Amino acid sequence: DVKVTQSSRYLVKRTGEKVFLECVQDMDHENMFWYRQDPGLGLRLIYFSYDVKMKEKGDIPEGYSVSREKKERFSLILESASTNQTSMYLCASSSPDRGLSYEQYFGPGTRLTVT
Amino acid sequence: QKEVEQNSGPLSVPEGAIASLNCTYSDRGSQSFFWYRQYSGKSPELIMSIYSNGDKEDGRFTAQLNKASQYVSLLIRDSQPSDSATYLCAVNDGSARQLTFGSGTQLTVLP
Repeated sequence: DVKVTQSSRYLVKRTGEKVFLECVQDMDHENMFWYRQDPGLGLRLIYFSYDVKMKEKGDIPEGYSVSREKKERFSLILESASTNQTSMYLCASSSPDRGLSYEQYFGPGTRLTVT
Repeated sequence: QKEVEQNSGPLSVPEGAIASLNCTYSDRGSQSFFWYRQYSGKSPELIMSIYSNGDKEDGRFTAQLNKASQYVSLLIRDSQPSDSATYLCAVNDGSARQLTFGSGTQLTVLP
């Protein structure tokens, strides 16, 4: 079974702090993703990565950066946390199967509160 | 802009009934279709994938795909209170590595 883990389930940070969220997958997947999920807004893609050291902006990259130094690890960085970044953060990974499928597997999520 | 539309619900069905969840998508080139279940406060869990027109059954779940109508559905037979969750439809067009997610349908199964 695919396993995606995230560094924290719950996190409370202060405005202006630098925040690191880590994600690790154990299935040698090429693709990794960071989403945030807010009530009424659904899943929104922040950043994704197709390979080590590669990154692509998603729909809402402002205020975030990412790092992928190893294939299994994808980090989301909030350079200066703000209250509007209070959210559930979800990491996912995927790999092409039969050339068609890109089914994503999600980690348990990190509920971040910025005060 | 690729779009995936779902009725947000809430959809309520009595225990033992069939729950029918629907999803339409805008990109006619879409090739892979997925249903995720998300319990409150938890992360999405993949429950079904479908790639060809027709029905795909897995236990109490049946996914139905009609590419001509750009429509994919999920049927849950013999619904149980434990099926109460939000169900997300996701679509991939085969050219990109991302999925486009719908906003989800909240299902409540009443005992």
